[in-house]
Amino acid sequence: GAVVSQHPSRVICKSGTSVKIECRSLDFQATTMFWYRQFPKQSLMLMATSNEGSKATYEQGVEKDKFLINHASLTLSTLTVTSAHPEDSSFYICSARVPGLSKNYGYTFGSGTRLTVV
Amino acid sequence: GDSVTQMEGPVTLSEEAFLTINCTYTATGYPSLFWYVQYPGEGLQLLLKATKADDKGSNKGFEATYRKETTSFHLEKGSVQVSDSAVYFCALIATGGSQGNLIFGKGTKLSVKP
Repeated sequence: GAVVSQHPSRVICKSGTSVKIECRSLDFQATTMFWYRQFPKQSLMLMATSNEGSKATYEQGVEKDKFLINHASLTLSTLTVTSAHPEDSSFYICSARVPGLSKNYGYTFGSGTRLTVV
Repeated sequence: GDSVTQMEGPVTLSEEAFLTINCTYTATGYPSLFWYVQYPGEGLQLLLKATKADDKGSNKGFEATYRKETTSFHLEKGSVQVSDSAVYFCALIATGGSQGNLIFGKGTKLSVKP
C-alpha cells in the first residue's frame, strides 16, 4: 500500500537552531501533503497544506516564516522549524492524499516526529 | 467551525473486555467520519469510516455507526485483545477546509492487559 516515510522520528535541538523534518512518499506521487502538529493531550491540528511546485497554504495562526515548507518534488515534502524555541516542542506528523482513491478516505500518514527544544 | 470531541483516556481494559470510545462532532452539512489508529512507533492508519447517516463502518472487529441525530460516531469492540493497545483518533473531513483536510479529536490511548 501507499507509504509515507517520515524522518527523523525523534529530535532534540538547542533553542535557536533549525530542524528539518522530511516526508517521502515511497510508492506513489504525492501532489498534496498535509502537515499537522499535536501538543500533549490536544488534537492533531493542521498547520499547512503543501502542493508540489507551489507555495504552501498555512492555517490561521501558523507563522509561515517560522515553519518553512518545501514541496519541490512529487515524492518529498519538508518542514523546517527555524529558530526553534521550547514552545515549538511538539509532535509533527505529515499526511499525503493517495491518488486514485476517493477524496474522503485516501490518506496515508507518516510515523511522526517528536521535537524537543531545550 | 468543524470540530471533534472524543473521550479522554487513558483507557485500561482487561483482555476480552468490551470497548467503547465516545466521539461526537460539530460540523455543517454532512461530513464523512473516520476512526484512525496509531500503534506504538507507527503512523496513523485508517481503521474504519462512514460517509453518510446510519452507515456502519467496521474493521478488525471494531464498529462505529454514523448517528446524525446525536452527532456521534462511537467506536466499539466486543472483545479487545492486547494487540489492540494503541491510540485511537476520531476524525472528520472538513466541509470547508482547505482541500479536504482531516479534523481530529485529541486521541484516546487504549491499554489492554492480558
